[in-house]
Amino acid sequence: QVQLQESGPGLVKPSETLSLTCTVSGYSITNSYWSWIRQPPGKVLEWIGYIYSTGSTNYNPSLKSRVTISIDTSKKQFSLNLRSVTASDTAVYYCARHTRGYSSNFDLWGQGTLVAVSS
Amino acid sequence: SYVLTQPPSVSVAPGQTARITCGGNNIGGKSVHWYQQRPGQAPVLVVYDDSARPSGIPERFSGSNSGNTATLNISRVEAGDEADYYCQVWDSSSDHQVFGTGTKVTVL
Repeated sequence: QVQLQESGPGLVKPSETLSLTCTVSGYSITNSYWSWIRQPPGKVLEWIGYIYSTGSTNYNPSLKSRVTISIDTSKKQFSLNLRSVTASDTAVYYCARHTRGYSSNFDLWGQGTLVAVSS
Repeated sequence: SYVLTQPPSVSVAPGQTARITCGGNNIGGKSVHWYQQRPGQAPVLVVYDDSARPSGIPERFSGSNSGNTATLNISRVEAGDEADYYCQVWDSSSDHQVFGTGTKVTVL
């Protein structure tokens, strides 16, 4: 069974770095593009960026200056770092698999993890 | 940047058809995907590439896309269809994914 599982701290202080990891099981991480998507409480989905197994990335322009997505194929994991966070970065963060290429839909999502930014 | 506009809410009686629109400039030239998100859960893909259904998604879910509007239809609506629905496209001009503003479907 193919699964994605997000992990990381549920609380981050303002100005610090939010770091999350997505572990892929039941599927080869080298076969797809992978994205991070977030959803502030009560608000809409926002795409953060994607990565491929080669390390190729693309980020949402609105977050590009603060985001780094990386991948470790040996661990079957990809990760999100979001720097200099503020309260507006409080959200449920999802990892997701692209069905085909980088421009395609997301056919598999993790359950999501809530990250609160607060002192 | 590319904007996808959805009605905030749609109400429908059980057994009737819910129609959810997604408006965008020349959206008919893009591939539109639709997700269902029940409260507290991750989104689930219900329609992709305008009108295709993933395996396991009932035939009651169908999609179309033309001009400046894409539409998700849910026929024979059931109580379990009550959820938020989001459209999504790839914006090639800015090279990033875009989600719609979301529509809450309420089953009366």
